[in-house]
Amino acid sequence: KAGVTQTPRYLIKTRGQQVTLSCSPISGHRSVSWYQQTPGQGLQFLFEYFSETQRNKGNFPGRFSGRQFSNSRSEMNVSTLELGDSALYLCASRSDSNTEAFFGQGTRLTVV
Amino acid sequence: GENVEQHPSTLSVQEGDSAVIKCTYSDSASNYFPWYKQELGKRPQLIIDIRSNVGEKKDQRIAVTLNKTAKHFSLHITETQPEDSAVYFCAARMYSSYKLIFGSGTRLLVRP
Repeated sequence: KAGVTQTPRYLIKTRGQQVTLSCSPISGHRSVSWYQQTPGQGLQFLFEYFSETQRNKGNFPGRFSGRQFSNSRSEMNVSTLELGDSALYLCASRSDSNTEAFFGQGTRLTVV
Repeated sequence: GENVEQHPSTLSVQEGDSAVIKCTYSDSASNYFPWYKQELGKRPQLIIDIRSNVGEKKDQRIAVTLNKTAKHFSLHITETQPEDSAVYFCAARMYSSYKLIFGSGTRLLVRP
């Protein structure tokens, strides 16, 4: 069974640009969550999707948004990038019957 | 608000010794407490978890204890090995919510 797949693995963007990150969950998992990991702030929850609906949102500005498709794949978008958005973005998927969240390898975003 | 405090931030032990990492959570409604291990450049991986209806859980050299009254939970690693060196994160989650609130992480170094 394939694990959680995130693309791209690395990304360099310029301030002011926007970026879209993709996450393909484990087959059969309908829940996808996104986290931002930085050395200073640790792992912070961004949002969680289930069956194409956002169920929870963390304390991030509106520049951070996401969506989920009917095949459970999820994307997150960050607009008007700031230097402080440089981070490792992790997604995790979970099955309906299990509490364990499986993480992808992450997308490392660098804003210059 | 929801918060998880984790101590210590760094821990250095001799191979074969035990290591203990402690976390405190703020939301008394939290009822699921996973621990993740993240090796350098890799994704966080679940190593053990505990639900609020259980006081202790063990898996070979790893154990987790939970004190609901004090809102504390701890990770215990016995007979540490160099391959245990990594960053360990605790987390807490409410049953009705799907977001994991993470501690700030503990960098464990096991000296050969």
